Amino acid sequence: AQKITQTQPGMFVQEKEAVTLDCTYDTSDPSYGLFWYKQPSSGEMIFLIYQGSYDQQNATEGRYSLNFQKARKSANLVISASQLGDSAMYFCAMRGRNTGGFKTIFGAGTRLFVKA
Amino acid sequence: KAGVTQTPRYLIKTRGQQVTLSCSPISGHRSVSWYQQTPGQGLQFLFEYFSETQRNKGNFPGRFSGRQFSNSRSEMNVSTLELGDSALYLCASSLSGTGEETQYFGPGTRLLVL
Repeated sequence: AQKITQTQPGMFVQEKEAVTLDCTYDTSDPSYGLFWYKQPSSGEMIFLIYQGSYDQQNATEGRYSLNFQKARKSANLVISASQLGDSAMYFCAMRGRNTGGFKTIFGAGTRLFVKA
Repeated sequence: KAGVTQTPRYLIKTRGQQVTLSCSPISGHRSVSWYQQTPGQGLQFLFEYFSETQRNKGNFPGRFSGRQFSNSRSEMNVSTLELGDSALYLCASSLSGTGEETQYFGPGTRLLVL
């Protein structure tokens, strides 16, 4: 069965420092995509970064990078130079083929608090 | 390009009533998925539509249904509302819904069932 595990319910980071949010996954799909989303208190899910299962290089998007270790089935999000506006919930997600179509499953999320 | 829009943004209903939520995907996107988010269960997949056909369905009772129109707009309906249906309902769209595609989410509809 497909599963996403985020073991950090909450994280604190000092402004301007880097932080790593952990994500491990389990799937039997040979091809899948891994995503990170940010959800501020307003509720909207904001796409941050994507990693394909066959991508050889780690994905980067501005201050966000994804540390992808396929053998360990981990896809950690690294946020560099944290800003106060980064305080939010962060969700790791995975999409793979499921009978008749694709669906996304999400981890439980990590709440990040950025301290001034 | 306009993002995913959802209407209404907030809704209050009473038990036993039914509700219809609407989602307009990003222009050109043909896949629309619906998710329910609650504090206890987190984000759960409801169903996905592509070209007016339901391609995938999560583990929700038959009270939850949906449809997609020829312009890719989608609606979901919940009949005989229960208190536990109170949640944030999120809609997401992508071009064709493959695993390699990014899904873009709307702002959500917050449903409160009293």
